[in-house]
Amino acid sequence: AQSVTQPDIHITVSEGASLELRCNYSYGATPYLFWYVQSPGQGLQLLLKYFSGDTLVQGIKGFEAEFKRSQSSFNLRKPSVHWSDAAEYFCAVGAKGGSEKLVFGKGTKLTVNP
Amino acid sequence: DTEVTQTPKHLVMGMTNKKSLKCEQHMGHRAMYWYKQKAKKPPELMFVYSYEKLSINESVPSRFSPECPNSSLLNLHLHALQPEDSALYLCASSPTQSTGYEQYFGPGTRLTVT
Repeated sequence: AQSVTQPDIHITVSEGASLELRCNYSYGATPYLFWYVQSPGQGLQLLLKYFSGDTLVQGIKGFEAEFKRSQSSFNLRKPSVHWSDAAEYFCAVGAKGGSEKLVFGKGTKLTVNP
Repeated sequence: DTEVTQTPKHLVMGMTNKKSLKCEQHMGHRAMYWYKQKAKKPPELMFVYSYEKLSINESVPSRFSPECPNSSLLNLHLHALQPEDSALYLCASSPTQSTGYEQYFGPGTRLTVT
């Protein structure tokens, strides 16, 4: 069964600084990987996804993520954070050819200081 | 259009009430999901419908009863809930398996059981 670890529960950055949120997964083959963002009291919004091919994927709102098979990681990055990026971020993994289930990490809360 | 709508946005119900949550999508997706999310936690999968058939039930208590009347609609019928069932209930939908089950979420229904 697949699993996801987000090692950082809470990260604080200054507006304009760069950001990297970590995600490690456990799965026997190449998984489907996703990053979602959730603002307080809202639903989850899909930021980006990796299925195959180019290991650097671009998403919405200026985010990107890099799939590293050797490290079982799919870290999310943004070169310059905006105050509106403050939210909860979830990494998720799905199984190729498997069920419709996604397994979510526990989330990383991002605080942005002015 | 990647929109999933949910009604109502907020719901307060007593432990003896019967109520329903509604979810709708018009993206032609063939899989639909109900999740429960408690504060500061990731979403927990409850049910999955695939091609209008229940494919996954994550051992959810029978006081929650899902229904998929057609490929665009998903309901969650609630009866005799407990205060611990208070949470944000999220609906999601996804395309067919070939796209890796990327899920699109609605804004959620905030449920309070008194």
